[in-house]
Amino acid sequence: SYDLTQPPSVSVSPGQTASIPCSGDELGERYVSWYQQKPGQSPVLVIYHDTKRPSGIPERFSGSSSGNTVTLTISGTQAMDEADYYCQAWDSSTAVFGGGTKLTIL
Amino acid sequence: QVQLVQSGGEVKKPGASVKVSCKAFGYTFTSYGVNWVRQAPGQGLEWMGWISGYNGNTKSAQKFQDRVTMTTDTSANTVYMELRSLRSDDTAVYYCARGFCTTTSCIDYFDYWGLGTLVTVSS
Repeated sequence: SYDLTQPPSVSVSPGQTASIPCSGDELGERYVSWYQQKPGQSPVLVIYHDTKRPSGIPERFSGSSSGNTVTLTISGTQAMDEADYYCQAWDSSTAVFGGGTKLTIL
Repeated sequence: QVQLVQSGGEVKKPGASVKVSCKAFGYTFTSYGVNWVRQAPGQGLEWMGWISGYNGNTKSAQKFQDRVTMTTDTSANTVYMELRSLRSDDTAVYYCARGFCTTTSCIDYFDYWGLGTLVTVSS
């Protein structure tokens, strides 16, 4: 089965830049989406097609891709960005989620 | 605006079945598909499958292939997910999420999500 690997946790101070990597085989050849989930809430799409930002998502959220790793970057992090973040890709018409990364704003 | 309204929480006994509904508002139902994603308590997201609102084509994760059925009622803009032979580890919040589809598959990002349906499996 296809796997996506994320670090379980990332910590950052307010105003700093947070980077959350997601790695997988041939990931550079697949589109990746990122979802933010706050406690008790449904996931929210924050990045799609590796780098695109949906309407309403702040500009501080960006995505990048290099080789088999994609990265979600949050610039100038704010307390409201504290959440779980999941990457997601497709393999043979099957969706796969990474294990999730808990972003803590110190 | 786009909304996915899910049915209410359910409590089921092991071995029973559950059917969760997801009613779509604010967009052309047949132009998109619906994915089902579940989340066990304290765990991550787990994709279960998708169904096309256009032609009813489905694809489910291998783990659920024998136990899940996804259907649509286009007259009611509603998608259903039935999970059979429930076990305690099926206790989870079940989300529906809209996704883009071609005529053959629905393998794109999930742009709108329902609020989730808690299914509790307990004897």
